[in-house]
Amino acid sequence: DVKVTQSSRYLVKRTGEKVFLECVQDMDHENMFWYRQDPGLGLRLIYFSYDVKMKEKGDIPEGYSVSREKKERFSLILESASTNQTSMYLCASSLQARGVLSTDTQYFGPGTRLTVL
Amino acid sequence: AQSVTQLDSHVSVSEGTPVLLRCNYSSSYSPSLFWYVQHPNKGLQLLLKYTSAATLVKGINGFEAEFKKSETSFHLTKPSAHMSDAAEYFCVVSVGNTDKLIFGTGTRLQVFP
Repeated sequence: DVKVTQSSRYLVKRTGEKVFLECVQDMDHENMFWYRQDPGLGLRLIYFSYDVKMKEKGDIPEGYSVSREKKERFSLILESASTNQTSMYLCASSLQARGVLSTDTQYFGPGTRLTVL
Repeated sequence: AQSVTQLDSHVSVSEGTPVLLRCNYSSSYSPSLFWYVQHPNKGLQLLLKYTSAATLVKGINGFEAEFKKSETSFHLTKPSAHMSDAAEYFCVVSVGNTDKLIFGTGTRLQVFP
């Protein structure tokens, strides 16, 4: 079974702090994703990566950055946390699409609930 | 552009009665469509996936969904609800021929005894 782990289930930080959220997958997947989940808004894509050292902005990248130095690890960084970044953060991974118009299943970690005070 | 609309934010059913969670999509391509489920304090789990094979897709836990191109719908159904089905359900569409997904806003399913 694919396993995606996230470093913390719950995290409390103060405004202005630098925050690192870590995600590790054990299935040699090329793609990795960071989402935030807010009530009534579903999941929104922050950043994704389709290869080591590669990254692309998602729909809401402002205030975030990412790092992918190794294939299995994808980090989300909040350079200066703000209260509007209080949310549930979900990491996911997938194999790269092998054919035209196909998308492989994304596997999700358990999430990190971040509170910024 | 691709998008997905979940028509109900909340659905309540009695245990043993049918479940219907509605989803409409918009896509310029032949889409891949998914339903994911999220139980309280858990990560998302794939229920089922459509990728242009059979239009009726069977998933885990007795759920199934039917792809209807003419109606641009991908509704999720289950003949008989169980208490353990109470969760939030997300309809998801792929973004063209990329590996990105677009999530609906979710439907919270309540099951009453």
